Amino acid sequence: GAGVSQSPSNKVTEKGKDVELRCDPISGHTALYWYRQSLGQGLEFLIYFQGNSAPDKSGLPSDRFSAERTGGSVSTLTIQRTQQEDSAVYLCASSLTGVNSGNTIYFGEGSWLTVV
Amino acid sequence: AQKITQTQPGMFVQEKEAVTLDCTYDTSDQSYGLFWYKQPSSGEMIFLIYQGSYDEQNATEGRYSLNFQKARKSANLVISASQLGDSAMYFCAMREVKAAGNKLTFGGGTRVLVKP
Repeated sequence: GAGVSQSPSNKVTEKGKDVELRCDPISGHTALYWYRQSLGQGLEFLIYFQGNSAPDKSGLPSDRFSAERTGGSVSTLTIQRTQQEDSAVYLCASSLTGVNSGNTIYFGEGSWLTVV
Repeated sequence: AQKITQTQPGMFVQEKEAVTLDCTYDTSDQSYGLFWYKQPSSGEMIFLIYQGSYDEQNATEGRYSLNFQKARKSANLVISASQLGDSAMYFCAMREVKAAGNKLTFGGGTRVLVKP
């Protein structure tokens, strides 16, 4: 597809289980971002990838959160031992590069995570 | 201090009228970009308009225009001829050159409801 693709679109999981969220960025985009949006809130930055490396992981809320990117393309955000406060929409975004403030960042439709 | 401030949590606008959404920002960078995104109830973040800090002209994209006042650090979005489909959350965001990966920092958003 032409846009940023995320899966699953919806996920309900039990507290304590691990979840994986996948992001397929726009082809050719080297910069990839994960954001989190809790109900009725703004967007909270989690992590940034340039290629396969993550120069900025400053937004990951705890060591239960991790992310990787392979082949400079698909990224996976993993949440271990999920807690109810992890319930949110996880948005992935990509940009042509991460070194030009003028490049637009395009978002996927998000993965809605509910921890019960 | 907040980097992006949107002071209007919500507002009503009559169909076919214009509406202005406020956004002020805080940065010490000389080079930065300002973005507006629309988030309908489906959750996706839709890019609307971009203004570069060095752009002398206000950005316009169809019914969207950005009233950029650099000295006041203000980047208000103007939606002309509002349509029912404009009902959504609107987020102002800034991308700073000095931020790793030029990640976007978002304001808290303004919810717009267009009345028929």
